[in-house]
Amino acid sequence: DIQMTQSPSTLSASVGDRVTITCRASQSITNWLAWYQQKPGKAPKLLIYKASSLENGVPSRFSGSGSGTDFTLTISNLQPDDFATYYCQQYNTYSTFGQGTKLEIK
Amino acid sequence: QVQLQESGPGLVKPSETLSLTCNVSAYSISRGYYWGWIRQPPGKGLEWIGSVYHSGTTYYNPSLKSRVTISVDTSKNQFSLKLTSVTAADTAVYYCARDNLSWFDSWGQGNLVTVSS
Repeated sequence: DIQMTQSPSTLSASVGDRVTITCRASQSITNWLAWYQQKPGKAPKLLIYKASSLENGVPSRFSGSGSGTDFTLTISNLQPDDFATYYCQQYNTYSTFGQGTKLEIK
Repeated sequence: QVQLQESGPGLVKPSETLSLTCNVSAYSISRGYYWGWIRQPPGKGLEWIGSVYHSGTTYYNPSLKSRVTISVDTSKNQFSLKLTSVTAADTAVYYCARDNLSWFDSWGQGNLVTVSS
């Protein structure tokens, strides 16, 4: 099984900040990685696929990077709507998700 | 834009079979894509259960494979999940989603299933 480890588990930030969330795979997944945003009581929403490709309609302040085992999701100029939980997902071998990073208002 | 909607019982007894259906609208399942199920226990993270192609080809999470069956009915434009021998650990919100055989680009709103006697 490929394990996905996100850090940090919780992140406190303010509107206007730039934040970075990290996801590490237990083995190389090339660039087969997606990022999702989930708000309480709602389904996850796809943000990024293939590690760095922005899904249609997602604001450009979201960006993804990385390859192999180490990946990052960066949100620039945080907006009030961005406070949520973020998950990475590998799809190199079957599919597994990270444990999530909760982005809180400082 | 494709829309997905889960339906099924919200309460299942231990040792019984959990059954859910996902109705797909504004997109014909027969056109392509895989169609998957993902679950999320209360307050916890996401777990992929398995996915099905319109031809009936399936692939499952190895940790759940022995208990899972996912099937598709193209005439009704829906696909279904059966999970046998459930326990309290199977209590979760169950989501259906369109699966690119990679990322999940459209999701249903979720269906909470509680396993309890």
